[in-house]
Amino acid sequence: EPEVTQTPSHQVTQMGQEVILRCVPISNHLYFYWYRQILGQKVEFLVSFYNNEISEKSEIFDDQFSVERPDGSNFTLKIRSTKLEDSAMYFCASRLGTDYGYTFGSGTRLTVV
Amino acid sequence: DAKTTQPTSMDCAEGRAANLPCNHSTISGNEYVYWYRQIHSQGPQYIIHGLKNNETNEMASLIITEDRKSSTLILPHATLRDTAVYYCIASSNNDMRFGAGTRLTVKP
Repeated sequence: EPEVTQTPSHQVTQMGQEVILRCVPISNHLYFYWYRQILGQKVEFLVSFYNNEISEKSEIFDDQFSVERPDGSNFTLKIRSTKLEDSAMYFCASRLGTDYGYTFGSGTRLTVV
Repeated sequence: DAKTTQPTSMDCAEGRAANLPCNHSTISGNEYVYWYRQIHSQGPQYIIHGLKNNETNEMASLIITEDRKSSTLILPHATLRDTAVYYCIASSNNDMRFGAGTRLTVKP
């Protein structure tokens, strides 16, 4: 069964450093998403991406965040200057169309120290 | 997207059917009902979705009331591996927002 692949599974970074979280969505999917989940809290929407541009973003997704689909297969989330409160599981998801469910990756655990 | 209301937690005996309710009384005509689950801290897993008609797949059945104000996810023969948080989301194909869900515990 096709999977959404996320790398790395765990990343530790120092506060103020830039991080890039990588995702390979399912190849024929057209819609791409990033979510995060702080330990013990809800899964929170960050951003959606379609047709090479951001469709929607939440209030969490401020100027420190950016997304890119550089080569037609990877979908990346960049955090420019990490803060302690950015520590969370980050999930990438994709779907074929708007009438379909999402397929999520297994997540990247980001720890900011 | 319409707000959904789910019980905080439920228990179910292994081998029995698990019936998870969801209220979405303000759902609009073009909003689908989606169900996902999250096992421990894994990524959420899509289960099923529907608009008006009842739906069934290899994982579960979704029963939507005729007025569409509520729905029930049915896991016909729950196993220990079905222990998870189950999320009901009403969405008109916009981006999905997750609530707190129902923590289902399947007991031996």
